[in-house]
Amino acid sequence: DAGVTQSPTHLIKTRGQQVTLRCSPKSGHDTVSWYQQALGQGPQFIFQYYEEEERQRGNFPDRFSGHQFPNYSSELNVNALLLGDSALYLCASSQHTEAFFGQGTRLTVV
Amino acid sequence: DAKTTQPPSMDCAEGRAANLPCNHSTISGNEYVYWYRQIHSQGPQYIIHGLKNNETNEMASLIITEDRKSSTLILPHATLRDTAVYYCIVRGLGSSNYKLTFGKGTLLTVNP
Repeated sequence: DAGVTQSPTHLIKTRGQQVTLRCSPKSGHDTVSWYQQALGQGPQFIFQYYEEEERQRGNFPDRFSGHQFPNYSSELNVNALLLGDSALYLCASSQHTEAFFGQGTRLTVV
Repeated sequence: DAKTTQPPSMDCAEGRAANLPCNHSTISGNEYVYWYRQIHSQGPQYIIHGLKNNETNEMASLIITEDRKSSTLILPHATLRDTAVYYCIVRGLGSSNYKLTFGKGTLLTVNP
């Protein structure tokens, strides 16, 4: 049984560009959450998707958007990248209770 | 979600029990205590969660005080691979509590 998978594992983008990160949830999970983790900090909640709708959102600007597909996989899109967007982006999937995390995508903005 | 307080770092000898404390004095009745850990550069790993009774699984035990204002995560026989940042999170299961709010956690270093 595959766990939560994220792609790509690493990414380098230039300031001002746009990026799309992808997440496939653990089998049987219908809810996907995205987190941003800056160096030395704990993960910060971006938003959560359930039934293809954004159910809750953290304190992130509209440059951060997402999507969930009928097969429950999800994408995180970030527009107009800033240097401060450099971080580890984590996807977590869940079904009612505990969340399981992927290994993350390391985004570097130069 | 209630705020949690954890020591920034702890050391433990390999093979000994590691006891990681967490204070959550403002926890409310419908909020659970969750523990996750994060090994360097990997995604957080779920360990255990509980409401008011002590819980045990193959990874750890969770002891919650009777007043629910604090808890302790116990790794019974720590190994070098248990070196990680451990996060204590309080989370309700109501309709407005979908997110996990991470603090800075406790860096547990297991020494040989």
